[in-house]
Amino acid sequence: EDQVTQSPEALRLQEGESSSLNCSYTVSGLRGLFWYRQDPGKGPEFLFTLYSAGEEKEKERLKATLTKKESFLHITAPKPEDSATYLCAVIGSGTYKYIFGTGTRLKVLA
Amino acid sequence: DAGVIQSPRHEVTEMGQEVTLRCKPISGHDYLFWYRQTMMRGLELLIYFNNNVPIDDSGMPEDRFSAKMPNASFSTLKIQPSEPRDSAVYFCASTSLSSYNEQFFGPGTRLTVL
Repeated sequence: EDQVTQSPEALRLQEGESSSLNCSYTVSGLRGLFWYRQDPGKGPEFLFTLYSAGEEKEKERLKATLTKKESFLHITAPKPEDSATYLCAVIGSGTYKYIFGTGTRLKVLA
Repeated sequence: DAGVIQSPRHEVTEMGQEVTLRCKPISGHDYLFWYRQTMMRGLELLIYFNNNVPIDDSGMPEDRFSAKMPNASFSTLKIQPSEPRDSAVYFCASTSLSSYNEQFFGPGTRLTVL
C-alpha cells in the first residue's frame, strides 16, 4: 500500500536555526514527490516537485532533496514567516492518486 | 486567473441534512480533485476526475458521499444525509499535465455538522 510518513510532527526553531523535515514514502513506481506549504485557514500551496533520486530543488531558504526512500526539506536560517505546516505527497505509476503525509507543523520564533 | 474557487467557505448544518459543496477549477485544467482534511487523518483524497470523468473514487467514505462534474468548469461534492463525523475542511484542487502535476488548491469549505 502506498504510504507517506512525515517527521517530526511539530518543530520549533529559533530564527536563524537551520533544520530539516523528513518525508519517508512507499509507492509503486514513483512518478513524483511534492512539497506543499499550508498556512492556517488556507489551502496548500505548491513548493516543489521532485521526480528522481538525486534531484534537488531550491527556493529562497528552502531546499528539497530526494532519495529512493525519502525526501528532506532543508530550511536554512528560517524566519518567522516560514512558520506553517509543510506537507509531502507522492503519486505512483499509472495514477493521479496523490497520497499526502500528515505534515510537519513548523514554528519559527523571533 | 482567479485560481480554484470554492463555495461556500463555511457551512453549518444539522445532522441528517443534505450538504452540497461547489468547486470551479482553473480554466484549462483537466484534472480535478476533492480532498477532506481533519486533524486526525490529515489530507485525504476522496475522488478525482479527468476530463469530467470520475477516475478513482476509492477514497469516498461511504454511499452518503457523491461527486459530479457536469462540465469542465464545475464540480459538486454532496453529502446526504450528513453526520457529525463529516465535519472537516473540504478542499478542491485542479491540475494539468502542462502544470507538471502541480496541484492548485482552493481555499476550502469548512463544514460543521451539528
